[in-house]
Amino acid sequence: DVKVTQSSRYLVKRTGEKVFLECVQDMDHENMFWYRQDPGLGLRLIYFSYDVKMKEKGDIPEGYSVSREKKERFSLILESASTNQTSMYLCASSSWDRDGYTFGSGTRLTVV
Amino acid sequence: AQSVTQPDIHITVSEGASLELRCNYSYGATPYLFWYVQSPGQGLQLLLKYFSGDTLVQGIKGFEAEFKRSQSSFNLRKPSVHWSDAAEYFCAVATNAGKSTFGDGTTLTVKP
Repeated sequence: DVKVTQSSRYLVKRTGEKVFLECVQDMDHENMFWYRQDPGLGLRLIYFSYDVKMKEKGDIPEGYSVSREKKERFSLILESASTNQTSMYLCASSSWDRDGYTFGSGTRLTVV
Repeated sequence: AQSVTQPDIHITVSEGASLELRCNYSYGATPYLFWYVQSPGQGLQLLLKYFSGDTLVQGIKGFEAEFKRSQSSFNLRKPSVHWSDAAEYFCAVATNAGKSTFGDGTTLTVKP
């Protein structure tokens, strides 16, 4: 069964900490994406990547960075966590536009 | 830029009744369209997709959707709803650049 695996289901971090959210896919997909999901705001694209070492800003990149050193792994980094980054974070991958996304189970991050 | 509108934030249906969830999109070219379902605390799962050909597409869990170019719509239907269908449903449109834009979602409640 193909999978997108997010390393943590729940995380609690303190304000100002550097936070790493990891995502690994086993489908050899070229494209990987990070979204955050908040009540009433839907899914908002943070960053995406079409290839190794390549990254593109999404709609809300401020306060975030990403790393894609290997094709299967796409990491989201919160440089200095703030309370307004408390959210559900969803990673997804796809082979190309016709196939749709495969999502991970999500990481619910709470920043205190 | 593409956009997706799901006019209904919340829908309640009785178990065994039929279901239709509405989706309207805005995109200049031929769209790639998707429906996803999200159970509480989980990631999104792809239900079905459309990119060409027959305008009525079948998906998993007994769902179908009909693409109507003249109405810019891609409505999701199910003839008989089961209690396990209670979830949040998202419509999405993808560009040929591979990014998807999601609607804000429709929450489905199923009454016994």
